[in-house]
Amino acid sequence: QKEVEQNSGPLSVPEGAIASLNCTYSDRGSQSFFWYRQYSGKSPELIMFIYSNGDKEDGRFTAQLNKASQYVSLLIRDSQPSDSATYLCAVTKGRRALTFGSGTRLQVQP
Amino acid sequence: GAVVSQHPSRVICKSGTSVKIECRSLDFQATTMFWYRQFPKQSLMLMATSNEGSKATYEQGVEKDKFLINHASLTLSTLTVTSAHPEDSSFYICSARDLGGTSGGAKSYNEQFFGPGTRLTVL
Repeated sequence: QKEVEQNSGPLSVPEGAIASLNCTYSDRGSQSFFWYRQYSGKSPELIMFIYSNGDKEDGRFTAQLNKASQYVSLLIRDSQPSDSATYLCAVTKGRRALTFGSGTRLQVQP
Repeated sequence: GAVVSQHPSRVICKSGTSVKIECRSLDFQATTMFWYRQFPKQSLMLMATSNEGSKATYEQGVEKDKFLINHASLTLSTLTVTSAHPEDSSFYICSARDLGGTSGGAKSYNEQFFGPGTRLTVL
């Protein structure tokens, strides 16, 4: 079992729709959860982080965490073609390095 | 704040040569830096954790004698790929963590700031 699992996609949504990206993790002791966006050939850039169960909103992005289900998701409202990228879920515990999922490729159709 | 640079951004070398990649935190002190490798269409895989003034901690399966890491100062870590071979061709990305909060740019106490990456091609 992979430590962090994501559906590789591609996830295709029309412009203006809500994109929903999901991630599950195996280590129940994980404490910090991050969503990164990575464009082709570029390094990851942080979108959101979440520590506590529930929702956290930042602009068009909402991160959702359910520690009981070991599940974290990212919702992107009003999706734009510029949101087309690979979205990486990452988890960590304490001061350890991030463990990344394999990423979900999102395609927003104009 | 919280900018991490990498040099070079792209390197092409012949098989058997060694390549050094530099990772610098430009506006904060990074006691810990991480080196990742990413093959096409795959995720980032942690290679090693670099701690200033001490030996790096390598992940299982990563040869420490092949991937030499030096973290001599709070703003610089280097990765040297020794005797590179075509299978070492990859995208190498470093990241740094500002535990001291000197950058002012961290949104999270555990946030890692990524460098732009180095594309290594070994012929």
